[in-house]
Amino acid sequence: EADIYQTPRYLVIGTGKKITLECSQTMGHDKMYWYQQDPGMELHLIHYSYGVNSTEKGDLSSESTVSRIRTEHFPLTLESARPSHTSQYLCASSEFDWGTATNEKLFFGSGTQLSVL
Amino acid sequence: AQKITQTQPGMFVQEKEAVTLDCTYDTSDQSYGLFWYKQPSSGEMIFLIYQGSYDEQNATEGRYSLNFQKARKSANLVISASQLGDSAMYFCAMREGKSGGSNYKLTFGKGTLLTVNP
Repeated sequence: EADIYQTPRYLVIGTGKKITLECSQTMGHDKMYWYQQDPGMELHLIHYSYGVNSTEKGDLSSESTVSRIRTEHFPLTLESARPSHTSQYLCASSEFDWGTATNEKLFFGSGTQLSVL
Repeated sequence: AQKITQTQPGMFVQEKEAVTLDCTYDTSDQSYGLFWYKQPSSGEMIFLIYQGSYDEQNATEGRYSLNFQKARKSANLVISASQLGDSAMYFCAMREGKSGGSNYKLTFGKGTLLTVNP
């Protein structure tokens, strides 16, 4: 079973607030990801990390930022939340494979449902 | 162009019957991987099954099997003996085997909402 945890599970917040979504994994995985998902829609990659001190932006432009100071921790921060940020945010991790890694399986957390009023 | 296409927004199946969820993909890579994930209403993504492009046999995992037709670029998920707990969104995804780092990404389809009726 996956050991990847996201907090909070639900967050309702006012416009302009700074928020941090937490994601931690206990599997020692090098790679971690943040996906954004609107209701009933596909997942879009917004950030990823290959390891400590490595972060990259994904396909979907996002005003959020991430950091990777420890292997197990990959928090996502919004400096000033807006209603357009309302969405579900899913964190995932996988083991690094020095090959093509086409079989690399992602383990997901339970997600954070963010609502910005 | 869409990399992953799931043409069925919603599907219904009777309990204990089999159901096929469609997925077609688009890639020019020879090496790629195909995945199916289940997302219940609680929101988490659960890995179901994986098929590699070089795998000659169709993948199976318990009640899940993947009908892989490489020439047609399709990777349909078959769920046998459906259960009420199978009601969920199902996502097909692909990881391409490009070098240089783009293999980091799992590209998802829009999903199919499966409802199992008693």
